[in-house]
Amino acid sequence: ETVLTQSPGTLSLSPGERATLSCRASQSIRSNQLAWYQQKPGQAPRLLVYGASKRATGIPDRFSGSGSGTDFTLTISRLEPEDFAVYYCQQYGGSPWTFGQGTEVEIK
Amino acid sequence: EVQLVESGGALVKPGESLRLSCAASGFTFSDAWMSWVRQAPGKGLDFVGRVKKRRDGGTTEYGAPVEGRFTISRDDSKNTLSLQMNSLKIEDTAVYYCATGIGTIDWWGQGTLVTVSS
Repeated sequence: ETVLTQSPGTLSLSPGERATLSCRASQSIRSNQLAWYQQKPGQAPRLLVYGASKRATGIPDRFSGSGSGTDFTLTISRLEPEDFAVYYCQQYGGSPWTFGQGTEVEIK
Repeated sequence: EVQLVESGGALVKPGESLRLSCAASGFTFSDAWMSWVRQAPGKGLDFVGRVKKRRDGGTTEYGAPVEGRFTISRDDSKNTLSLQMNSLKIEDTAVYYCATGIGTIDWWGQGTLVTVSS
């Protein structure tokens, strides 16, 4: 099973700042099959990025994904008030699919 | 519009069984890979399992914590996904989400709460 480790656990930033979230895999993820999700309190998660760097439909271009192999990054170029949430990475290149433990982006 | 509506969540005792259902609409269910993902209170997401569409073999896969205790099944004639949970443990307490997507999870239900407590 591929273990995903996200860092930091919590990111305290102000609106307008840049957020950089990390996701590290215990083994190389086949074909960069890595996704990112956003979850707000009381809501189901929402897909942001798939294939490590492709934005899902309707996702603003301030969200970008990068990386390959075992190291992946989600960047939010300029935080909007609605971006404060918890973010999860997920790999679907190996069995079983697994999630990281999440990074909370909170308002400083 | 894609809709996934879970039902069947309840309070049960350790060792008991429970069956969850998910009613799907707004897409071609028989062409979809379907999954269950859970989230314990205040915790992160945990992959429970998934079933491929019949044309991809209809095979199932489970996360390690539930392997051998949980079974996912689908009824394409009724657009329904099920999760049979046996030998429930306290640590199975969570909101269970029905979801769909091939690899990525493109659509999620709103979840149903399962509480395992003596």
